[in-house]
Amino acid sequence: KNEVEQSPQNLTAQEGEFITINCSYSVGISALHWLQQHPGGGIVSLFMLSSGKKKHGRLIATINIQEKHSSLHITASHPRDSAVYICAVRSTKHTGNQFYFGTGTSLTVIP
Amino acid sequence: DAGITQSPRHKVTETGTPVTLRCHQTENHRYMYWYRQDPGHGLRLIHYSYGVKDTDKGEVSDGYSVSRSKTEDFLLTLESATSSQTSVYFCATRGGLETQYFGPGTRLLVL
Repeated sequence: KNEVEQSPQNLTAQEGEFITINCSYSVGISALHWLQQHPGGGIVSLFMLSSGKKKHGRLIATINIQEKHSSLHITASHPRDSAVYICAVRSTKHTGNQFYFGTGTSLTVIP
Repeated sequence: DAGITQSPRHKVTETGTPVTLRCHQTENHRYMYWYRQDPGHGLRLIHYSYGVKDTDKGEVSDGYSVSRSKTEDFLLTLESATSSQTSVYFCATRGGLETQYFGPGTRLLVL
C-alpha cells in the first residue's frame, strides 16, 4: 500500500475549466508538497503546506490535517498547465528525512 | 532555479558493470537525495545525505551505494548494474522552508 494516494490518475480538461487534483496520505506528516513534472521530465516544487491554504497565481493548494487530505486546484486552466502533478509528504514516521510520493496525476488541457 | 546538475544525463550500460551517477549543487544545501522514478511508482528514495560523510538508506537502497565527500557533490554507485535498475534517477536537495529542488534527471538503461 502506498503511503500517498492521488486521484485521478489521468485528467483531460478543456481550456478554461476549473481543475481539482486530490491527495490522501496515511502517515503522520510535517509537511506536504505539490510538485509539477513537465513532459521534458524536469520537476519543480509548487507549494509546501503544513496547514491551511496557499495561492500562487491560478494555483491554489489546501490541506486538511485531520482528514489527511490535500487538494490542488487550477483555475482557468491553460494548455501550458499540461503536466504531471505529484503530491509528496515529509513523514514524521522516521527520524530521518523520508519523503513519500504519490504516483502523480497526468493533466492534459486541450485548447 | 537551484543550481543542481546531474551527470551523465543519459547512459546505456551492460548488466554487471559498475555505474556512478553524479549530482552537483551550488546552493550549499545540507540535505541531498537520490530517487528513482519508474512507471506505476512514485519517486522512491534510494539514499539521502544529511551532511558531508553522513548518509542513510532509503526504501529501495539494495544494490546502491552513495558517497558525499564534499557538500556540493553526492555520488550514487551501482556496484553491478542489473536490468531492474533501468530507471530515471533524480537528485534533489532540500533548501529553506523545506522546498525540494530537483536535478534534471539521468536516464539509465541497463542491457
